[in-house]
Parts: sequence; C-alpha cells; structure tokens
Amino acid sequence: GAGVSQSPSNKVTEKGKDVELRCDPISGHTALYWYRQRLGQGLEFLIYFQGNSAPDKSGLPSDRFSAERTGESVSTLTIQRTQQEDSAVYLCASSLTREVEAFFGQGTRLTVV
Amino acid sequence: QQQVKQSPQSLIVQKGGISIINCAYENTAFDYFPWYQQFPGKGPALLIAIRPDVSEKKEGRFTISFNKSAKQFSLHIMDSQPGDSATYFCAARSVSQFYFGTGTSLTVIP
Repeated sequence: GAGVSQSPSNKVTEKGKDVELRCDPISGHTALYWYRQRLGQGLEFLIYFQGNSAPDKSGLPSDRFSAERTGESVSTLTIQRTQQEDSAVYLCASSLTREVEAFFGQGTRLTVV
Repeated sequence: QQQVKQSPQSLIVQKGGISIINCAYENTAFDYFPWYQQFPGKGPALLIAIRPDVSEKKEGRFTISFNKSAKQFSLHIMDSQPGDSATYFCAARSVSQFYFGTGTSLTVIP
C-alpha cells in the first residue's frame, strides 16, 4: 500500500470491554512499532516487531495489553478489560529495516467511556 | 524518565521568522535522530533526520544542528510560514525503539 494503514480510525468502547486495533504496514517493511499518544503528550513506546525475532514488549503498560504480528504483515494490538486511562491515540509505524526512518499511520483514537 | 528532553513546549513566531526547537539526550548509544511534524488528527510525518557523525543537515527551510559532545540537537525552520504551524517531535533511536520528546506546538502568525 501507499502508507501505513490503521483501523478503525476511531473507536469508542465501554469500560471493561476488549478492543482490537489493526495495523497494515507498508509492504516489505520488516520493522513495526506501536506507540501510544495521550492528549497533548508525546509518544509512548509500546512494542516493536522486527522480522521473525522475538518482539520487544518492554513498553506494554500492563498485562491487559498484547500485540501480535504474523510474519512481516498485519499487526493487531489488543487491550483487554479497557480502562478510562487507556483513552489515547494508538499509532503504528513501520520501517524497511531498523536502520532507516519509520513511517507512521494516522492512528486509532480510542475513547473508553 | 524522559530519555529525550525537548523545549520549548510551545512557540509563537511571526511569519518569515526563524523557529528553533531544542532537544537533549543522555544515552550515547542513540544512533539516529529524526524530527517529526504532526498536524491535528494526523500521524507524525518524518521531516528531517541526522546521524551523529554529521554536525548539520539542511533540507530546504529545515536544518538540524547536532552537537555530539553536548548531546544536543536542534531544529531550525527558516522563513517560517503559517503552514508550518504544527506539533514537532524530536526523537532518538536505540536498538529497538524510538524515544520521543514531549513535543513543541509551533504557531506561525501571519
């Protein structure tokens, strides 16, 4: 595709529900990142995938958060039992390799009510 | 702990002026320093980037100045335009992630 695609663009969910966010990276990009951006704040690292290597999950804030990636394609970020503090924009980025620039999608705005 | 410290938090510049945003870091293992521009409702877009073996990089009106010994780098926007009004993030890359500054909201007044 032309760029990193994320879906849905907006998600409103009730507290306690599970949500699944999707990221389609640029074709051929081996590196994929998930970040969280709270309103008016910087980007908070969540998880990094590089090819078939074990992902770096060091940024996941709790065990309610998990992410998967199949090979070098789609990634899903799952948040279980959502809380109000999970409300944020979740950004996905991909890069051809670790050594070059990362391109971001437009994000999924998650609102937990 | 903030790995990359960015200032100022907000900046107002007259059209035609120079916008300067500064960042500082501690980890000498960082090997790549990009700047991203973000408009409301959009994801960050890469603006310009530099590697630590270079002291300056210029692309059009945008220049990165890099001071390796001081562990500081800055973005200069020359001849600032209202269309440059956005939030700017500096970042630094380590092994498996980018560390971002907290962002600078730039407003260019016509």
